[in-house]
Amino acid sequence: SSELTQDPAVSVALGQTFRITCQGDSLRSYYASWYQQKPGQAPVLVIYGKNNRPSGIPDRFSGSSSGNTASLTISGAQAEDEADYYCSSRDSSDNHDVFGTGTKVTVL
Amino acid sequence: QVQLQESGPRLVKPSETLSLTCTVSGGSISSYYWSWIRQPPGKGLEYIGSIYSSGSTNYNPSLKSRVSISIDMSKNQFSLKLTSLTAADTAMYYCARQRWEYSNSGSAYYFDYWGQGILVTVSS
Repeated sequence: SSELTQDPAVSVALGQTFRITCQGDSLRSYYASWYQQKPGQAPVLVIYGKNNRPSGIPDRFSGSSSGNTASLTISGAQAEDEADYYCSSRDSSDNHDVFGTGTKVTVL
Repeated sequence: QVQLQESGPRLVKPSETLSLTCTVSGGSISSYYWSWIRQPPGKGLEYIGSIYSSGSTNYNPSLKSRVSISIDMSKNQFSLKLTSLTAADTAMYYCARQRWEYSNSGSAYYFDYWGQGILVTVSS
């Protein structure tokens, strides 16, 4: 079964543009989706498919993919972007889904 | 606006079976996948399994021997059963709607609506 690996933590300055990555073999076959989770809250979908944002998600969130790596870019970090971020995709060898290890984003 | 709400016991004894229900409102349960996801305290998200409105299921291989997901179209509900509980099953349990899309450039599965979660503690 596939694993999705993310950097554990990243610190960014207010207004800085930064990228979170997610690596795994399944990403060669399926797009990743990305979720933002703030303390005490359920995850919220921020990016899915090639680069799609659900209604209500700011356009500073964007997604991309290359080979076995998916990326979530936040252009101009805001204080409210401080959260845990998880990627997810369908496992390429079995009919189930897998989540990444998660990245804790701190906005300074 | 689709809303999901988990319900069930918040405290379960070791070796017992956990039964949770997710009630879907604001939309039909037909023609979608419906999923269970959990998160142990202070840890990451773990996919448990999904069921399509037709009744077909997918499970996390690491939990497959203990998990069963069912659906009740008449009540707009789907349910989770997890057997042989241990302390390691203590977690926030979320239900979610899963969608998929296909295009020339690739395929994607994603969870677009989530419940608020229910914290289940396994303890004697």
